[in-house]
Amino acid sequence: AQRVTQPEKLLSVFKGAPVELKCNYSYSGSPELFWYVQYSRQRLQLLLRHISRESIKGFTADLNKGETSFHLKKPFAQEEDSAMYYCALRDSGGSNYKLTFGKGTLLTVNP
Amino acid sequence: EADIYQTPRYLVIGTGKKITLECSQTMGHDKMYWYQQDPGMELHLIHYSYGVNSTEKGDLSSESTVSRIRTEHFPLTLESARPSHTSQYLCASQTGGFSYEQYFGPGTRLTVT
Repeated sequence: AQRVTQPEKLLSVFKGAPVELKCNYSYSGSPELFWYVQYSRQRLQLLLRHISRESIKGFTADLNKGETSFHLKKPFAQEEDSAMYYCALRDSGGSNYKLTFGKGTLLTVNP
Repeated sequence: EADIYQTPRYLVIGTGKKITLECSQTMGHDKMYWYQQDPGMELHLIHYSYGVNSTEKGDLSSESTVSRIRTEHFPLTLESARPSHTSQYLCASQTGGFSYEQYFGPGTRLTVT
């Protein structure tokens, strides 16, 4: 069964410091990985997806199939980055469109 | 404006009552989902639908039921609410093609007393 692990429930950094939110997955096929973000009092929304290989709000994430990881990184954290971050995986085979979410990491960026 | 709507946003109700949480989307998406978000903020898929008259149970067992009679409407019903049903319920719809992005509604915070 596919599984997404976010080992840190809480992560606290200072403004301007680098930040890395860890995500590991277990899946035997070819996964699609996503990062979703939920800011305070806002809706859960897509931040980025691995197939796009894009940088959103300064965040990047690289899929490492060897280490089965999809860590989210930003070189200089900002206070507005404080939010709940979820890593998610989609089974790319067949007609399965469901996402499996990790338990989430609450990022706090201190001034 | 294309969006996904959930009503009510907040609901406090007594044990044993029947409740329906509404979810509607004007995005033209075929796929819709219900998630339960626990106090620790973990998301659990409880129901999903890939189209009209198609519904499936999710990964987390739930006493709720859903229906999908119209593409844009995906209500969730609890026949007899219990305190254990107290939670945040999120509805989502999904694009097709190669995006697979899920769009989430604002959520319904349910409290059963």
